[in-house]
Amino acid sequence: DTGVSQDPRHKITKRGQNVTFRCDPISEHNRLYWYRQTLGQGPEFLTYFQNEAQLEKSRLLSDRFSAERPKGSFSTLEIQRTEQGDSAMYLCASSRSGPLYEQYFGPGTRLTVT
Amino acid sequence: GDSVTQMEGPVTLSEEAFLTINCTYTATGYPSLFWYVQYPGEGLQLLLKATKADDKGSNKGFEATYRKETTSFHLEKGSVQVSDSAVYFCALSGNTPLVFGKGTRLSVIA
Repeated sequence: DTGVSQDPRHKITKRGQNVTFRCDPISEHNRLYWYRQTLGQGPEFLTYFQNEAQLEKSRLLSDRFSAERPKGSFSTLEIQRTEQGDSAMYLCASSRSGPLYEQYFGPGTRLTVT
Repeated sequence: GDSVTQMEGPVTLSEEAFLTINCTYTATGYPSLFWYVQYPGEGLQLLLKATKADDKGSNKGFEATYRKETTSFHLEKGSVQVSDSAVYFCALSGNTPLVFGKGTRLSVIA
């Protein structure tokens, strides 16, 4: 069990640029989640996948955000035309299916939009 | 929608003091309840969980009891250590995504 990994760990970008983050879940987990955490707040749900299917998206996920999990393994989160308000920690988590299985979190990608 | 309210910090305690961090929730149905911890420079880790009313979750000396009648899941530890300094998040899972509180920063001084 190597844990959930995320890449990059830090990203600084200029407003208006596109950025893409990657998450590699724990290998036997079929669910993958994306959350966003801003300073002084708890993580907020963005979207989640079961295998390759995107099952739910939060209203926080504007049209500039898109997430994929093409083969049911790793996932990418892309933000187009970044805004300063997108600056946050982006967290990925994975779990097995079912309400009793805990979510394991990665270390996060810290995005700074200048 | 579902929500979690936890006491605001920061909380500063001396080593070996008793800790309580209050957490209440609003949810439809019967959610599972969690406490996550975030140590400085590290990712979120599950500290403990409870999946039904009256369940007690425990780990590393921390405990929390799922109280349906008061919709609460307060975190307690009898004797804190400096190494417990971290941010603690209460969370619930009614469907699949977790709903988190804002977090409570705990600082334990020797």
